[in-house]
Amino acid sequence: GQQLNQSPQSMFIQEGEDVSMNCTSSSIFNTWLWYKQDPGEGPVLLIALYKAGELTSNGRLTAQFGITRKDSFLNISASIPSDVGIYFCAGDNTDKLIFGTGTRLQVFP
Amino acid sequence: SQTIHQWPATLVQPVGSPLSLECTVEGTSNPNLYWYRQAAGRGLQLLFYSVGIGQISSEVPQNLSASRPQDRQFILSSKKLLLSDSGFYLCAWSTGSNQPQHFGDGTRLSIL
Repeated sequence: GQQLNQSPQSMFIQEGEDVSMNCTSSSIFNTWLWYKQDPGEGPVLLIALYKAGELTSNGRLTAQFGITRKDSFLNISASIPSDVGIYFCAGDNTDKLIFGTGTRLQVFP
Repeated sequence: SQTIHQWPATLVQPVGSPLSLECTVEGTSNPNLYWYRQAAGRGLQLLFYSVGIGQISSEVPQNLSASRPQDRQFILSSKKLLLSDSGFYLCAWSTGSNQPQHFGDGTRLSIL
């Protein structure tokens, strides 16, 4: 099925570093969502974005809805070990979500 | 508050056997309901979604079917499982279109 292009595919960083990942699409979306998935569990919603240009924070996480409505960015500041997991972006313009390919984040102490 | 339950958490089934995975949502009425499959290390593939009782939309042709016998119950079924049906199955709900989806903890299905 259709998927969004998410990059980077994986990241290995040291605790305390900042992290940036992004998601791009050839289609316009009305809503962008960011999820985190821990091994063996379902994805958990981190941030929801509803308006082009919107910048929203949730603790150390900040996400932006691109002006073109075709991309979104997620930043994590001062990473900690529990940030480890797979991060997925998702775009929504009907009843369906289109998911990104995921960014696997590893944080080393 | 709303909660979503999926069971079983893990399942090992022989090829050719039937399947029934159940998902229920509590604390909301008339939710949109979704079934996804996730291959190891990959993104989520939408299998079915439902906007109301008895209303099922299928996204990909496959060996599986879905039913929604009650407002907050969504069932994923198969009459005869294939090896390729192995994977991590996730149920999700939302309050409507363009609203965030919230996921259950998933069922890991292994076909032998």
